[in-house]
Amino acid sequence: SQQGEEDPQALSIQEGENATMNCSYKTSINNLQWYRQNSGRGLVHLILIRSNEREKHSGRLRVTLDTSKKSSSLLITASRAADTASYFCATEHNTDKLIFGTGTRLQVFP
Amino acid sequence: DTGVSQNPRHKITKRGQNVTFRCDPISEHNRLYWYRQTLGQGPEFLTYFQNEAQLEKSRLLSDRFSAERPKGSFSTLEIQRTEQGDSAMYLCASSYPNDRVYEQYFGPGTRLTVT
Repeated sequence: SQQGEEDPQALSIQEGENATMNCSYKTSINNLQWYRQNSGRGLVHLILIRSNEREKHSGRLRVTLDTSKKSSSLLITASRAADTASYFCATEHNTDKLIFGTGTRLQVFP
Repeated sequence: DTGVSQNPRHKITKRGQNVTFRCDPISEHNRLYWYRQTLGQGPEFLTYFQNEAQLEKSRLLSDRFSAERPKGSFSTLEIQRTEQGDSAMYLCASSYPNDRVYEQYFGPGTRLTVT
């Protein structure tokens, strides 16, 4: 079964706009990771945030983590058509395996 | 390219046949993971190895599934007597501890279609 729920399930925006995706999970974590997947292909690791961190940046990506609410958000600023993909959050617990959410399908129109 | 590689990329088989997939991890990575992903869903954990030892298996991994990593390098995932419900993308990932965190790097996947 999947741990995370992502919201929204699908998101359509224009190039240049910001995209925000949210992820909620059920049990305590060691860290939370965000991945991107282009249609029918493998996953690309975007960013990892540890349970004792609240915010992390990488280029146009900003991730926040609120362990009291068991939720995380991924913000992509100044989106580009090339950002069109599915985005997944994945939580790691004491077992070292990743438990993925259901994903957000992002469409960026030029 | 020194990333994770998987072969074949696509496999079409008839129900009841056996199939085997191969994963070659990033060379210095000691952990290797298998996941399965069905259409519209996130990947689901199947099993993982540390070196040649299989440390955990999901309940999703029925008796028809077996995975090996004989020398702690490449891994194979075999499905015996395939069923239509086995149709999915099978993803492999590898990792190495970085300050006690295992960041996983995924291969391109093997897409299995059972007819």
